[in-house]
Amino acid sequence: DAGITQSPRHKVTETGTPVTLRCHQTENHRYMYWYRQDPGHGLRLIHYSYGVKDTDKGEVSDGYSVSRSKTEDFLLTLESATSSQTSVYFCAIRNRMDEKLFFGSGTQLSVL
Amino acid sequence: DQQVKQNSPSLSVQEGRISILNCDYTNSMFDYFLWYKKYPAEGPTFLISISSIKDKNEDGRFTVFLNKSAKHLSLHIVPSQPGDSAVYFCAASKGQNTNAGKSTFGDGTTLTVKP
Repeated sequence: DAGITQSPRHKVTETGTPVTLRCHQTENHRYMYWYRQDPGHGLRLIHYSYGVKDTDKGEVSDGYSVSRSKTEDFLLTLESATSSQTSVYFCAIRNRMDEKLFFGSGTQLSVL
Repeated sequence: DQQVKQNSPSLSVQEGRISILNCDYTNSMFDYFLWYKKYPAEGPTFLISISSIKDKNEDGRFTVFLNKSAKHLSLHIVPSQPGDSAVYFCAASKGQNTNAGKSTFGDGTTLTVKP
Protein backbone atom coordinates (compact mmCIF):
# COMPACT_ATOMS: atom_id res chain seq x y z
CA ASP A 1 0.00 0.00 0.00
CA ALA A 2 1.12 3.50 -0.79
CA GLY A 3 2.28 5.39 2.29
CA ILE A 4 -0.40 8.03 2.48
CA THR A 5 -2.26 9.06 5.60
CA GLN A 6 -4.97 11.61 6.17
CA SER A 7 -5.81 13.33 9.40
CA PRO A 8 -8.17 13.64 11.04
CA ARG A 9 -10.29 10.71 9.89
CA HIS A 10 -13.45 12.34 11.19
CA LYS A 11 -14.26 15.92 12.09
CA VAL A 12 -17.38 17.77 13.11
CA THR A 13 -17.25 21.54 13.03
CA GLU A 14 -19.56 24.53 13.00
CA THR A 15 -20.40 26.84 10.15
CA GLY A 16 -17.98 29.72 9.86
CA THR A 17 -15.02 28.05 11.54
CA PRO A 18 -11.74 27.38 9.76
CA VAL A 19 -10.75 23.76 9.20
CA THR A 20 -7.49 22.24 8.02
CA LEU A 21 -7.12 18.71 6.73
CA ARG A 22 -3.73 17.12 6.41
CA CYS A 23 -2.35 14.66 3.91
CA HIS A 24 1.02 13.06 4.58
CA GLN A 25 2.91 10.78 2.21
CA THR A 26 6.09 8.76 2.62
CA GLU A 27 6.51 7.94 -1.08
CA ASN A 28 8.29 11.15 -2.09
CA HIS A 29 5.83 11.55 -4.97
CA ARG A 30 5.78 14.90 -6.69
CA TYR A 31 2.06 15.10 -7.40
CA MET A 32 -0.63 15.40 -4.74
CA TYR A 33 -4.36 15.98 -5.07
CA TRP A 34 -7.40 16.78 -2.96
CA TYR A 35 -10.75 15.37 -4.05
CA ARG A 36 -14.16 15.46 -2.43
CA GLN A 37 -16.84 12.84 -2.74
CA ASP A 38 -20.51 13.43 -2.07
CA PRO A 39 -23.21 10.75 -1.78
CA GLY A 40 -24.15 9.33 -5.15
CA HIS A 41 -21.44 11.26 -6.87
CA GLY A 42 -17.98 10.66 -8.08
CA LEU A 43 -14.86 12.37 -6.90
CA ARG A 44 -14.32 15.99 -7.82
CA LEU A 45 -10.93 17.66 -7.86
CA ILE A 46 -10.49 20.56 -5.45
CA HIS A 47 -6.82 21.47 -5.72
CA TYR A 48 -3.63 19.78 -6.74
CA SER A 49 0.10 20.22 -6.37
CA TYR A 50 2.94 19.39 -8.73
CA GLY A 51 5.72 20.21 -6.34
CA VAL A 52 6.66 22.15 -3.24
CA LYS A 53 4.93 25.53 -3.31
CA ASP A 54 3.42 24.69 -6.73
CA THR A 55 -0.33 24.34 -6.52
CA ASP A 56 -3.29 24.94 -8.78
CA LYS A 57 -7.07 24.89 -8.72
CA GLY A 58 -9.33 22.05 -9.65
CA GLU A 59 -12.96 22.15 -10.71
CA VAL A 60 -14.46 22.87 -7.25
CA SER A 61 -11.86 25.10 -5.60
CA ASP A 62 -14.12 27.90 -4.31
CA GLY A 63 -13.94 28.14 -0.52
CA TYR A 64 -10.76 26.06 -0.30
CA SER A 65 -7.08 26.83 -0.18
CA VAL A 66 -4.05 24.57 -0.07
CA SER A 67 -0.44 24.71 0.91
CA ARG A 68 2.56 22.51 0.28
CA SER A 69 5.68 23.58 2.09
CA LYS A 70 7.25 20.10 2.10
CA THR A 71 7.11 17.26 -0.38
CA GLU A 72 5.42 14.99 2.10
CA ASP A 73 2.62 17.25 3.30
CA PHE A 74 -0.34 18.75 1.47
CA LEU A 75 -2.80 20.76 3.55
CA LEU A 76 -6.37 21.63 2.61
CA THR A 77 -7.96 24.56 4.41
CA LEU A 78 -11.56 25.59 4.53
CA GLU A 79 -11.29 29.25 5.45
CA SER A 80 -14.87 29.50 6.73
CA ALA A 81 -16.66 26.18 6.62
CA THR A 82 -20.17 25.97 5.18
CA SER A 83 -22.72 23.16 5.30
CA SER A 84 -22.20 22.57 1.57
CA GLN A 85 -18.65 21.50 2.40
CA THR A 86 -19.88 18.53 4.37
CA SER A 87 -18.29 15.72 2.42
CA VAL A 88 -15.69 13.00 2.40
CA TYR A 89 -12.30 14.36 1.42
CA PHE A 90 -9.69 12.18 -0.23
CA CYS A 91 -6.07 12.94 -0.75
CA ALA A 92 -4.23 11.21 -3.56
CA ILE A 93 -0.66 10.95 -4.74
CA ARG A 94 0.84 10.07 -8.09
CA ASN A 95 4.20 9.02 -9.39
CA ARG A 96 5.20 11.22 -12.31
CA MET A 97 5.79 8.14 -14.45
CA ASP A 98 2.30 6.81 -13.98
CA GLU A 99 -1.26 7.91 -14.49
CA LYS A 100 -2.88 6.11 -11.60
CA LEU A 101 -3.65 7.70 -8.26
CA PHE A 102 -3.10 6.25 -4.82
CA PHE A 103 -5.71 7.44 -2.37
CA GLY A 104 -5.74 7.92 1.36
CA SER A 105 -8.53 6.54 3.51
CA GLY A 106 -10.43 9.80 3.54
CA THR A 107 -11.64 12.38 6.04
CA GLN A 108 -15.33 12.55 6.85
CA LEU A 109 -16.10 16.23 7.50
CA SER A 110 -19.44 17.38 8.86
CA VAL A 111 -20.22 21.09 9.01
CA LEU A 112 -23.20 21.83 11.24
CA ASP B 1 -22.19 19.06 -18.09
CA GLN B 2 -20.99 15.72 -16.82
CA GLN B 3 -18.12 14.56 -18.99
CA VAL B 4 -17.90 11.03 -17.60
CA LYS B 5 -21.11 9.13 -17.05
CA GLN B 6 -21.87 5.81 -15.46
CA ASN B 7 -25.53 5.40 -16.23
CA SER B 8 -26.14 2.35 -14.05
CA PRO B 9 -26.02 3.26 -10.35
CA SER B 10 -26.13 -0.40 -9.38
CA LEU B 11 -25.59 -3.88 -10.76
CA SER B 12 -26.30 -7.25 -9.21
CA VAL B 13 -24.84 -10.49 -10.55
CA GLN B 14 -24.51 -14.07 -9.41
CA GLU B 15 -21.17 -15.40 -8.28
CA GLY B 16 -19.28 -16.97 -11.16
CA ARG B 17 -21.06 -14.95 -13.80
CA ILE B 18 -19.72 -12.02 -15.78
CA SER B 19 -20.09 -8.46 -14.50
CA ILE B 20 -20.11 -5.70 -17.10
CA LEU B 21 -19.82 -2.12 -15.94
CA ASN B 22 -20.23 0.65 -18.47
CA CYS B 23 -18.92 4.18 -18.80
CA ASP B 24 -19.50 6.90 -21.40
CA TYR B 25 -17.55 10.08 -21.92
CA THR B 26 -18.15 13.21 -23.94
CA ASN B 27 -14.75 14.91 -24.10
CA SER B 28 -12.75 13.66 -27.07
CA MET B 29 -9.58 15.07 -25.48
CA PHE B 30 -9.55 12.29 -22.88
CA ASP B 31 -6.78 9.88 -23.75
CA TYR B 32 -6.37 7.76 -20.65
CA PHE B 33 -9.03 5.87 -18.77
CA LEU B 34 -8.92 4.19 -15.39
CA TRP B 35 -11.17 2.11 -13.20
CA TYR B 36 -11.06 2.36 -9.44
CA LYS B 37 -12.72 0.16 -6.87
CA LYS B 38 -13.95 1.45 -3.54
CA TYR B 39 -15.03 -0.36 -0.41
CA PRO B 40 -17.00 1.46 2.31
CA ALA B 41 -14.91 3.66 4.61
CA GLU B 42 -11.83 3.23 2.42
CA GLY B 43 -10.23 5.25 -0.32
CA PRO B 44 -10.55 4.17 -3.95
CA THR B 45 -7.93 1.75 -5.21
CA PHE B 46 -6.70 1.50 -8.75
CA LEU B 47 -7.96 -1.51 -10.66
CA ILE B 48 -7.06 -1.28 -14.33
CA SER B 49 -6.43 1.32 -17.00
CA ILE B 50 -6.28 1.76 -20.75
CA SER B 51 -4.67 4.24 -23.06
CA SER B 52 -6.58 5.62 -26.03
CA ILE B 53 -4.14 3.94 -28.40
CA LYS B 54 -5.48 0.56 -27.32
CA ASP B 55 -8.92 -0.98 -27.44
CA LYS B 56 -8.44 -3.67 -24.82
CA ASN B 57 -6.43 -4.26 -21.69
CA GLU B 58 -6.57 -7.38 -19.58
CA ASP B 59 -5.37 -8.12 -16.07
CA GLY B 60 -6.42 -11.43 -14.63
CA ARG B 61 -10.18 -11.49 -14.19
CA PHE B 62 -10.50 -7.86 -15.24
CA THR B 63 -10.67 -6.60 -18.82
CA VAL B 64 -11.33 -3.08 -19.97
CA PHE B 65 -12.59 -2.38 -23.48
CA LEU B 66 -12.44 1.01 -25.15
CA ASN B 67 -14.56 2.08 -28.12
CA LYS B 68 -13.27 5.51 -29.08
CA SER B 69 -15.76 6.13 -31.85
CA ALA B 70 -18.62 5.55 -29.44
CA LYS B 71 -16.79 7.24 -26.55
CA HIS B 72 -17.58 4.22 -24.45
CA LEU B 73 -15.64 1.91 -22.21
CA SER B 74 -16.59 -1.11 -20.24
CA LEU B 75 -15.10 -3.18 -17.45
CA HIS B 76 -15.64 -6.94 -17.56
CA ILE B 77 -15.10 -9.07 -14.48
CA VAL B 78 -15.02 -12.81 -15.11
CA PRO B 79 -15.77 -14.76 -13.03
CA SER B 80 -17.37 -12.44 -10.50
CA GLN B 81 -16.68 -13.13 -6.84
CA PRO B 82 -18.44 -11.89 -3.68
CA GLY B 83 -15.29 -9.96 -2.76
CA ASP B 84 -15.78 -7.89 -5.93
CA SER B 85 -18.82 -6.25 -4.33
CA ALA B 86 -17.86 -2.58 -4.18
CA VAL B 87 -18.40 0.76 -5.89
CA TYR B 88 -16.58 1.04 -9.21
CA PHE B 89 -15.57 4.42 -10.55
CA CYS B 90 -14.65 5.15 -14.11
CA ALA B 91 -12.18 8.01 -14.55
CA ALA B 92 -10.70 9.82 -17.53
CA SER B 93 -7.76 12.14 -17.94
CA LYS B 94 -6.17 14.07 -20.74
CA GLY B 95 -2.55 14.58 -21.53
CA GLN B 96 0.58 13.56 -19.78
CA ASN B 97 2.66 15.06 -17.03
CA THR B 98 0.89 17.90 -15.27
CA ASN B 99 -2.56 16.98 -16.56
CA ALA B 100 -2.27 13.35 -15.64
CA GLY B 101 -3.93 12.66 -12.33
CA LYS B 102 -6.44 15.46 -12.83
CA SER B 103 -8.99 12.81 -13.49
CA THR B 104 -12.67 13.35 -14.14
CA PHE B 105 -14.71 10.71 -12.38
CA GLY B 106 -18.08 9.17 -13.06
CA ASP B 107 -20.62 8.84 -10.26
CA GLY B 108 -19.86 5.18 -9.71
CA THR B 109 -21.67 1.86 -10.05
CA THR B 110 -22.34 -0.28 -7.00
CA LEU B 111 -21.68 -3.91 -7.86
CA THR B 112 -23.20 -6.63 -5.71
CA VAL B 113 -22.07 -10.19 -6.34
CA LYS B 114 -24.43 -12.70 -4.77
CA PRO B 115 -23.08 -16.05 -3.53
